[in-house]
Amino acid sequence: GQSLEQPSEVTAVEGAIVQINCTYQTSGFYGLSWYQQHDGGAPTFLSYNALDGLEETGRFSSFLSRSDSYGYLLLQELQMKDSASYFCAVREGSSYKLIFGSGTRLLVRP
Amino acid sequence: SAVISQKPSRDICQRGTSLTIQCQVDSQVTMMFWYRQQPGQSLTLIATANQGSEATYESGFVIDKFPISRPNLTFSTLTVSNMSPEDSSIYLCSVDGTSGVGGNEQYFGPGTRLTVT
Repeated sequence: GQSLEQPSEVTAVEGAIVQINCTYQTSGFYGLSWYQQHDGGAPTFLSYNALDGLEETGRFSSFLSRSDSYGYLLLQELQMKDSASYFCAVREGSSYKLIFGSGTRLLVRP
Repeated sequence: SAVISQKPSRDICQRGTSLTIQCQVDSQVTMMFWYRQQPGQSLTLIATANQGSEATYESGFVIDKFPISRPNLTFSTLTVSNMSPEDSSIYLCSVDGTSGVGGNEQYFGPGTRLTVT
């Protein structure tokens, strides 16, 4: 089976940098994805890592270490609008299903 | 990217009744997924719906309770049958981003917020 672990909540100050970690256990690995979800909104895709290393998209970066079964999402220059829940997700085996972590609620304070 | 709409956006239903949720995509996709998300919780996959075949249900979800239709490549419905307060949740449909055929990027509809009294 698949399982993913994330911190339940992170608090940071506007303008700061925050890292949200995700560790996973999978029977077959096809990449780690990150999704953002604002309260009352739909999850939106942020990034995807299939290979080790850092992927950067604007203020957001995502990192993967397959040997450690570990990844993180890095948010820089935090803005109030970044307050949301962030989910890591892996694909289950050779199917197209995504398994989501429990989510990390990020609170950005002024 | 895909644009997905869902109807209704929210509903309040009495226990014992059924509600059918519609999901419409603006492009043809092979796979559609139905999720449930309880307040403050993660997304739990209910089933995968392929056009022209029976939906594949995840452990803990059965067709009698959550019948799904997939009549064409742009549309699907999920019915929540014989509802109880425990079915109060947000129901989301999604599709794959990579031309609808596999991948790690999914696009989600806005969700249907269901409250069962």
